[in-house]
Amino acid sequence: AQKITQTQPGMFVQEKEAVTLDCTYDTSDQSYGLFWYKQPSSGEMIFLIYQGSYDEQNATEGRYSLNFQKARKSANLVISASQLGDSAMYFCAMREIGGKLIFGQGTELSVKP
Amino acid sequence: DSGVTQTPKHLITATGQRVTLRCSPRSGDLSVYWYQQSLDQGLQFLIQYYNGEERAKGNILERFSAQQFPDLHSELNLSSLELGDSALYFCASSVVSGEYYNEQFFGPGTRLTVL
Repeated sequence: AQKITQTQPGMFVQEKEAVTLDCTYDTSDQSYGLFWYKQPSSGEMIFLIYQGSYDEQNATEGRYSLNFQKARKSANLVISASQLGDSAMYFCAMREIGGKLIFGQGTELSVKP
Repeated sequence: DSGVTQTPKHLITATGQRVTLRCSPRSGDLSVYWYQQSLDQGLQFLIQYYNGEERAKGNILERFSAQQFPDLHSELNLSSLELGDSALYFCASSVVSGEYYNEQFFGPGTRLTVL
């Protein structure tokens, strides 16, 4: 069965430093998409970045980059130059061809001033 | 603002009651997904509709049902509510149904509290 694993329940990072949030996945599909969402304390789900299973280059969106290692089935999110506003829950998700998203348990990131 | 709207934002009700959560997808999006976020279960997919038809079902209880109307808005009906149904319910939409690369845009969620 498809599964997303985020092994870091909580992370701390100093402001302006970079941080890596881990995500591993398990699927037998050849075609899939990997997403990262941010959920601040207000509750909304904010799309951050996407990586397709056939994409050869790692995705980047501003300060966010996705370290995609297909053989290891990992899709880690890297946030560069952390800001106080980055404090939130971060969810890794996989989208199957059927369309639904499967989420990991999330990582709570706290950025220290 | 994702363009997906959900009403109401908050809902407080009693056990045994029935509630309806409403979702309007982004303009042009044909596919609607419902997710439940609870402390013990995390974020779980409930059900998906595409252009009025049910496309996929996840861990949705028999007490829950949904539909998508001709104007593409969707409603999630929760009946015989139990304390454990207290959760944040998200609606998401995307342009098409099956392609794995389409982003899903999430609404702000409806926080349901069952007392």
